[in-house]
Amino acid sequence: GQNIDQPTEMTATEGAIVQINCTYQTSGFNGLFWYQQHAGEAPTFLSYNVLDGLEEKGRFSSFLSRSKGYSYLLLKELQMKDSASYLCAVRVDSGAGSYQLTFGKGTKLSVIP
Amino acid sequence: GAVVSQHPSWVICKSGTSVKIECRSLDFQATTMFWYRQFPKQSLMLMATSNEGSKATYEQGVEKDKFLINHASLTLSTLTVTSAHPEDSSFYICSATQRGSETQYFGPGTRLLVL
Repeated sequence: GQNIDQPTEMTATEGAIVQINCTYQTSGFNGLFWYQQHAGEAPTFLSYNVLDGLEEKGRFSSFLSRSKGYSYLLLKELQMKDSASYLCAVRVDSGAGSYQLTFGKGTKLSVIP
Repeated sequence: GAVVSQHPSWVICKSGTSVKIECRSLDFQATTMFWYRQFPKQSLMLMATSNEGSKATYEQGVEKDKFLINHASLTLSTLTVTSAHPEDSSFYICSATQRGSETQYFGPGTRLLVL
């Protein structure tokens, strides 16, 4: 089975930096995604890591260590609009050339003034 | 690019009726579409995976006779909730991938309320 853990809630101050961690135990690992989901809306894609290391995209960066089963999403220069849930999702090989995403429960980030 | 739409965005129905939800990829061909369900304050749970022109693969615990999935073309998949009951009330979200890409693009979701 798959197991993905991330903190339930975090609070950070506008303009600051926040790191959201995600650990996973899974078989057939084939990449890790981070999605942002505002309340009542569908998720939007933020980042994808399949190799170890850091991927930077503007204010958002994502890091992956496959050997440790660990990833983090780093948000810089926080803005109020960054208040949302951040979902860590692991892509696994489900056989016959097919892949699935298994989502963590999400981390609800609250950005305060 | 990579826009996915869903229709309807909201549906309220009586218990026992059937509801059809459409998922369309607007500017790309979706080789694979996924259907998720999300209950309040919970994560997305994969219901089924469908490839164009073939039968959907359902996750354990999801009744294939209750949640009918049709993926008739590379741009359209439908989910029909048959004989809906109040416990089926949820947020249903589809996503799609295109050939050669790892990223799933999500539709805006359909909120279903069964009275």
